[in-house]
Amino acid sequence: AQSVTQLGSHVSVSEGALVLLRCNYSSSVPPYLFWYVQYPNQGLQLLLKYTTGATLVKGINGFEAEFKKSETSFHLTKPSAHMSDAAEYFCAVRVGYSTLTFGKGTMLLVSP
Amino acid sequence: GAGVSQSPRYKVAKRGQDVALRCDPISGHVSLFWYQQALGQGPEFLTYFQNEAQLDKSGLPSDRFFAERPEGSVSTLKIQRTQQEDSAVYLCASSFEQGGLPYEQYFGPGTRLTVT
Repeated sequence: AQSVTQLGSHVSVSEGALVLLRCNYSSSVPPYLFWYVQYPNQGLQLLLKYTTGATLVKGINGFEAEFKKSETSFHLTKPSAHMSDAAEYFCAVRVGYSTLTFGKGTMLLVSP
Repeated sequence: GAGVSQSPRYKVAKRGQDVALRCDPISGHVSLFWYQQALGQGPEFLTYFQNEAQLDKSGLPSDRFFAERPEGSVSTLKIQRTQQEDSAVYLCASSFEQGGLPYEQYFGPGTRLTVT
């Protein structure tokens, strides 16, 4: 069975600073990997996904993530944080035709 | 176009009551998923439909939970004899997927169920 670990339940950054949200996965077969964002009282919105091909994936709102098989990681980054980035972020893994398995989430706090 | 909608958005039930949560997927989406999100946790899979067929219900926590999608569109998640541990946000998602590459799952806003 697959699993996802997100390091840090809360990450605080200043506006304009680098955002780094960590995600490690466990899977016995090549996974599909996803990052979702959830704003308060809203559903999840897909930021980006890795299925096959290029390991550096660019998503919406300036976010990107790199799939590193040797490290079983799929960390999410953004060069410069905006106040509007404050939300909860979920990493998810999917193997083959199975459903999504989510991490516990990381709350991103952005201070002025 | 319209996204995934869920109703009600909020539901308060007394312990022992039955509840029904509705999901309207995006028109034309074949696949429909239900997830349960407890406070401070990530969503956890409950069940999956492809059209009207329930292909996977391995995540349903007990036989008090029942889901249906009789015409391959709207889905209802029913919880019988609610317990306090059922308090959570119930998320519905739909996608084009029919068993090929993983198309994006589009999520609804969720129904927040509170059992008192």
